[in-house]
Amino acid sequence: QVQLQESGPGLVKPSETLSLTCTVSGGSISSYYWSWIRQPPGKGLEWIGYIYNSGSTNYNPSLKSRVTISVDTSKNQFSLRLSSVTAADTAVYYCARNWNFDLWGRGTLVTVSS
Amino acid sequence: DIVMTQSPDSLAVSLGERATINCKSSQTVLFSSNDKSYLAWYQQRPGQPPKLLIYWASTRESGVPDRFSGSGSGTDFTLTISSLQAEDVAVYYCQQYYSTPYTFGQGTKLEIK
Repeated sequence: QVQLQESGPGLVKPSETLSLTCTVSGGSISSYYWSWIRQPPGKGLEWIGYIYNSGSTNYNPSLKSRVTISVDTSKNQFSLRLSSVTAADTAVYYCARNWNFDLWGRGTLVTVSS
Repeated sequence: DIVMTQSPDSLAVSLGERATINCKSSQTVLFSSNDKSYLAWYQQRPGQPPKLLIYWASTRESGVPDRFSGSGSGTDFTLTISSLQAEDVAVYYCQQYYSTPYTFGQGTKLEIK
């Protein structure tokens, strides 16, 4: 069955750029919307943005100036870049499929600290 | 942004009893052209990602036990667990996908009494 797996550094320094990749296995990345969602420790869920396989994107206005989501269909992967991070960006980052997030990765904790 | 507000924030229910969680949106999430409410419910157990339970406000995801049901339309929604089991201890979230930015409720923590 289709599975999602997030990967990337677990520690990022303040003011630097957070970069994560989500690999889609067991199925094609085509014809779906793919999102990034984050959850600060002990807190709720925040949608970051999505990309469609055509490359069209939609970002949360609260993060829009710092976020880029891209897709590599040849690798069945999509990626998140979040620039100028601060401690407030410390969170578990999830990738997920569709508008009603029917499939989630296990999540990866990213800590912003010097 | 559409603000999603859940009640209560936490809930303790005895095993075998009914649990009810409410979710209210700050504006309608009902799309009139297809008469569908763009509302989903998720369960998040400790240390795990959220799991989709219900979408279109009342459609149960494949594999979800039938003790879970969703109801409501427009701005007011309810998740009901008809007979609480030990494995249902979790935080439950509602989410609207009617318009971006997609938004979640603050979560309801469900425990055993």
